[in-house]
Amino acid sequence: QKEVEQDPGPLSVPEGAIVSLNCTYSNSAFQYFMWYRQYSRKGPELLMYTYSSGNKEDGRFTAQVDKSSKYISLFIRDSQPSDSATYLCAMSRGNTGGFKTIFGAGTRLFVKA
Amino acid sequence: EPEVTQTPSHQVTQMGQEVILRCVPISNHLYFYWYRQILGQKVEFLVSFYNNEISEKSEIFDDQFSVERPDGSNFTLKIRSTKLEDSAMYFCASSGLAGQETQYFGPGTRLLVL
Repeated sequence: QKEVEQDPGPLSVPEGAIVSLNCTYSNSAFQYFMWYRQYSRKGPELLMYTYSSGNKEDGRFTAQVDKSSKYISLFIRDSQPSDSATYLCAMSRGNTGGFKTIFGAGTRLFVKA
Repeated sequence: EPEVTQTPSHQVTQMGQEVILRCVPISNHLYFYWYRQILGQKVEFLVSFYNNEISEKSEIFDDQFSVERPDGSNFTLKIRSTKLEDSAMYFCASSGLAGQETQYFGPGTRLLVL
């Protein structure tokens, strides 16, 4: 079983739609959960992170973590064409020397004007 | 806003040659990382570096790879005797003491081994 599973899509939605992106994971040692956005041929850009179960909201983005189910989600409200990108879930566990981050495969999102 | 920078943006090399990829992390960060992304595949952890030593490495990071922080600002990844399968995008990332888990990524170096 892969440590992190993410549907690669693509996911195509009309402008203004609510987008739901999801990942599952298998390793209970993960402590931190992140969502990154990656545009073509660019580096991942951190969108949100959380370390506890529950919801965290930032503008149009809501990150949700359910540790009991090992399931994380990212919701995008009022989606815009500029949101078109690949969204990467990521999880990390730390030690004194830093955090090893494991990424999902990424979901390609297309928001149509 | 401070950012991680990487040079060169593109590197083409012949199989068997050595390459050095350079990164300038965010200035007050203490933890440094290298990741790679083969075209069409996911981002993969290579190595983390803290306090002038490797703190963790993946199975990908074998004896062909090495990292160094030669001065107070640069962080390098050296690949000895490059192979065709080393062709990928290499990302440097850094994080600070207060938010170790929030890693900020550079724009990447695209390495092509011929």
